[in-house]
Amino acid sequence: KQEVTQIPAALSVPEGENLVLNCSFTDSAIYNLQWFRQDPGKGLTSLLLIQSSQREQTSGRLNASLDKSSGRSTLYIAASQPGDSATYLCAVITGGSYIPTFGRGTSLIVHP
Amino acid sequence: DAGVIQSPRHEVTEMGQEVTLRCKPISGHDYLFWYRQTMMRGLELLIYFNNNVPIDDSGMPEDRFSAKMPNASFSTLKIQPSEPRDSAVYFCASSFEPPLHLSGRGAGEETQYFGPGTRLLVL
Repeated sequence: KQEVTQIPAALSVPEGENLVLNCSFTDSAIYNLQWFRQDPGKGLTSLLLIQSSQREQTSGRLNASLDKSSGRSTLYIAASQPGDSATYLCAVITGGSYIPTFGRGTSLIVHP
Repeated sequence: DAGVIQSPRHEVTEMGQEVTLRCKPISGHDYLFWYRQTMMRGLELLIYFNNNVPIDDSGMPEDRFSAKMPNASFSTLKIQPSEPRDSAVYFCASSFEPPLHLSGRGAGEETQYFGPGTRLLVL
């Protein structure tokens, strides 16, 4: 059974710092991995999706990398801003299951 | 479009009562998903529909849960009878095209749009 772990569970940093959020998964036979953002009291918004054949995806200040063999993905946030404060979740689709498995998320606070 | 609409936004009920959660997907989307989020278990997919037909309900926790999609613009998730352990946030999401994991195609862009969720508390 696929298990997804996100470290750290919570992070509080001053504005301007570069951040790395980690996601690890136990079964490397994945179709893709996706990073989401969840604001308090809201649903999820997709940030980046990496296919199993890809190594990374970039969108603005966000960069997500994937190392399938080691079962790891990182989300890099450059020059963090208070507006980046949210919970970040990663989800993997494992081959054969078609059911996404989500991590518990990293709760990020960027203070001015 | 107003996005995915869910109602009610908050629901407080007593154990044993029937609870009905509602979802209106984005117009034109032909896939609809129901998720549940709790502190203990995180976010879990319960069931999803394609063209109003349930495709995979393996995530539905037990027979007390049922979901329907009578037409393309409306879906319900019903819990009968409700129990305190059903307390959670229930999300509905919809998409235009098959999720990438089903189609095998690589678009690289988000395909699921989430609603704001229904916060359910069963006393």
